Amino acid sequence: ETGVTQSPTHLIKTRGQQVTLRCSSQSGHNTVSWYQQALGQGPQFIFQYYREEENGRGNFPPRFSGLQFPNYSSELNVNALELDDSALYLCASSRDSRGWSTDTQYFGPGTRLTVL
Amino acid sequence: GDSVTQMEGPVTLSEEAFLTINCTYTATGYPSLFWYVQYPGEGLQLLLKATKADDKGSNKGFEATYRKETTSFHLEKGSVQVSDSAVYFCALSVFQGAQKLVFGQGTRLTINP
Repeated sequence: ETGVTQSPTHLIKTRGQQVTLRCSSQSGHNTVSWYQQALGQGPQFIFQYYREEENGRGNFPPRFSGLQFPNYSSELNVNALELDDSALYLCASSRDSRGWSTDTQYFGPGTRLTVL
Repeated sequence: GDSVTQMEGPVTLSEEAFLTINCTYTATGYPSLFWYVQYPGEGLQLLLKATKADDKGSNKGFEATYRKETTSFHLEKGSVQVSDSAVYFCALSVFQGAQKLVFGQGTRLTINP
């Protein structure tokens, strides 16, 4: 069974640029969530995708957007990068979580984004 | 709003010592509770979970009991090892259109031989 994978591992961008991060969900999972983890902090929920639709969003501006594909993999796009966007971006997948809070989310290794 | 408060770190113990990391939460409804562990340079790994009051989650010698009356989910281990050195995150899960995890700030644990 393949776990959650993310690419790239590290990324360096400059302020104002755009970035795309990628995530492949664990086999059998159709729900993908994205989290931002600033240095020394706990992860913060960005949004969740279920069957190619965004079904929930945290307190992040619209320049954070995403996609989910028919194979349940996902992308996180961030436009107009700011210095504060520097963080570890984590992707997590789970089974059909609609209507439940009990399912476990399984995390990938993350993408470390540095904005200069 | 929903929130999780963890015992501030860092925590440093000797090998074979008893470990407790405190975690309390505030939530509407009936959240599920989780402990995740993060080793250096890695993502989060599920350590244990509990989905209803009085449930006990356990894994690799770690235990935590869902206490609704005290809104707590403290992590314990009877005898820690050097390999347990990591950052530990307590989290609650709520469903608000999507299943969202709300994390505490993390507790860094260092075990000395």
